[in-house]
Amino acid sequence: NAGVTQTPKFQVLKTGQSMTLQCAQDMNHEYMSWYRQDPGMGLRLIHYSVGAGITDQGEVPNGYNVSRSTTEDFPLRLLSAAPSQTSVYFCASGQGAYNEQFFGPGTRLTVL
Amino acid sequence: AQKVTQAQTEISVVEKEDVTLDCVYETRDTTYYLFWYKQPPSGELVFLIRRNSFDEQNEISGRYSWNFQKSTSSFNFTITASQVVDSAVYFCALSERNAGNMLTFGGGTRLMVKP
Repeated sequence: NAGVTQTPKFQVLKTGQSMTLQCAQDMNHEYMSWYRQDPGMGLRLIHYSVGAGITDQGEVPNGYNVSRSTTEDFPLRLLSAAPSQTSVYFCASGQGAYNEQFFGPGTRLTVL
Repeated sequence: AQKVTQAQTEISVVEKEDVTLDCVYETRDTTYYLFWYKQPPSGELVFLIRRNSFDEQNEISGRYSWNFQKSTSSFNFTITASQVVDSAVYFCALSERNAGNMLTFGGGTRLMVKP
């Protein structure tokens, strides 16, 4: 099993550009989520999904979109990148928010 | 709203010392789950433990132990005889049954174990 995979590992964007961070899991988990990690602020939940076709906002959803067309994939879209979105992004999956989360390796995003 | 506070942003110890990482949480729910995750310098996040609100028994796993006290809303993590490989950022997290599947993390504690 590959677990949770994320692509790309690193990305540099200019302000105003859009892009999609990819996340996939092969553990048949219904629950998937996206976090951003900033120094001193821990991980903050951006969006999450409890199954295909179901998504909801987390703590810091502004500027990001998600969709969940399959159980395996949960892409995160940045609509118009801003320097405040410079961060490390982690995707995770698990059997619900109440259980162990399996994290991807992260994507380090820099917005200039 | 659920909240997790890790007041210690950085701790530095010498190898073989014991160290306790504090975690204080806030919740209005009676059913909730607490977690600890480790993030070593390589950056990945590793699950350490999960505890539900109805199980206040302390847990020990090798050199690691966890003290869950509902009376003080704390879920502290102790490493006995620390080793250099324990150097990492440690996160405490909380999920409430009625919080709509949201998992909230504390700000993390960076532990540096010096040889």
